[in-house]
Amino acid sequence: EAGVTQSPTHLIKTRGQQATLRCSPISGHTSVYWYQQALGLGLQFLLWYDEGEERNRGNFPPRFSGRQFPNYSSELNVNALELEDSALYLCASSTPGGFYGYTFGSGTRLTVV
Amino acid sequence: QKEVEQDPGPLSVPEGAIVSLNCTYSNSAFQYFMWYRQYSRKGPELLMYTYSSGNKEDGRFTAQVDKSSKYISLFIRDSQPSDSATYLCASRYNNNDMRFGAGTRLTVKP
Repeated sequence: EAGVTQSPTHLIKTRGQQATLRCSPISGHTSVYWYQQALGLGLQFLLWYDEGEERNRGNFPPRFSGRQFPNYSSELNVNALELEDSALYLCASSTPGGFYGYTFGSGTRLTVV
Repeated sequence: QKEVEQDPGPLSVPEGAIVSLNCTYSNSAFQYFMWYRQYSRKGPELLMYTYSSGNKEDGRFTAQVDKSSKYISLFIRDSQPSDSATYLCASRYNNNDMRFGAGTRLTVKP
């Protein structure tokens, strides 16, 4: 069974540009979660999607947005990139409710220069 | 105040030692508690999962939750160099996203 796949693995952008990160969940998982892991800050919750709807949002500015497609894959968009957006962006998926934990992808390393 | 607090370490122990990793949480509504292990340049992987208070054992790993003190622990017996990783505790309540601790970086020296 394929795990959670994220693309690209690495992304280098210039300040002010837009970045798009993609995530494919495990087959049968309908919930997708996005986390930012910046050095020394742990995992910060960004967004939660379930059945195509945004269910919850973390304490991030509106330039962080995303969506979930009918096949449950998801993308995260970051507009007007700032240097402090440099981080590892992790996507996770779960069955509805996520009561048995999440399965994470290996992440996209975003570097803003 | 962060919802889940975890000492980031780093923690270094000799091979064979018993490792104790700890977290505290602030939201008494949390019902589900997890430990994740994250190797360098990888995503976190679920290690242990517990519901409400009590202990859960899986091989060399024991997870402990004390809801009265809002304390979460992970014990690793007979630690191995392959256990060297960052360990993240996480908590959630019904039908919501998970909140993670900052992670403790563990090194087990041969």
